[in-house]
Amino acid sequence: EVQLLESGGGLVQPGGSLRLSCAASRFSFSSSAMSWVRQAPGKGLEWVSGIGASNTNTYYADSVKGRFTVSRDNSKNTLYLQMHNLNPGDTAVYYCARETSSASCCDALDIWGQGTVVTVSS
Amino acid sequence: DIQMTQSPSTLSASVGDRITITCRASQSVSSWLAWYQQKPGKAPKLLLSGASDLQSGVPSRFSGSGYGTEFTLTISSLQPDDSATYYCQQYNIHSSFGQGTKLEIK
Repeated sequence: EVQLLESGGGLVQPGGSLRLSCAASRFSFSSSAMSWVRQAPGKGLEWVSGIGASNTNTYYADSVKGRFTVSRDNSKNTLYLQMHNLNPGDTAVYYCARETSSASCCDALDIWGQGTVVTVSS
Repeated sequence: DIQMTQSPSTLSASVGDRITITCRASQSVSSWLAWYQQKPGKAPKLLLSGASDLQSGVPSRFSGSGYGTEFTLTISSLQPDDSATYYCQQYNIHSSFGQGTKLEIK
């Protein structure tokens, strides 16, 4: 079964850092553009970041630009989101998702992980 | 940034009803528009992309239309399993989602 599995979430203090991972299986990860989407408690979906299949093109929402960095290791079939200078507004479930096109961001998202919870609080 | 606005925010309808959800973009997104269904505690599920292309395995009672700045998602005959929150997403310039429409089955 095609699968994405996020990890790395947890409780972090304001100003802290966290790195999320997303392990892909049973599809051609190295040919797929990927995105991160988050959902604050009780709120809607917010696109956070996208990355092309070859790791050369990255894109960010204004709300995270300069604080978050998306990357990937195609040899490990893994997507990452490095988050710095976190604030309570970053508290959310973070999903990784596969884009339907292999080109650089952005496209419809056809495969989603189950999400990992990030809580920013003192 | 392109802002996406959905209406209504909540909707209550009965089994067998036909319902329509509207999504408006702050500027043209051509046909780069997708619709998702999300149930509580679950990841979103892609229903349609390209404004009107139904994903494999999605029931044919779901349909989409529109171009440019105005789009609609229609469910032709509501089923109990359709109770969920529905989101539109533009992917013409980066990506952004509407605020969601919560659909309740009476």
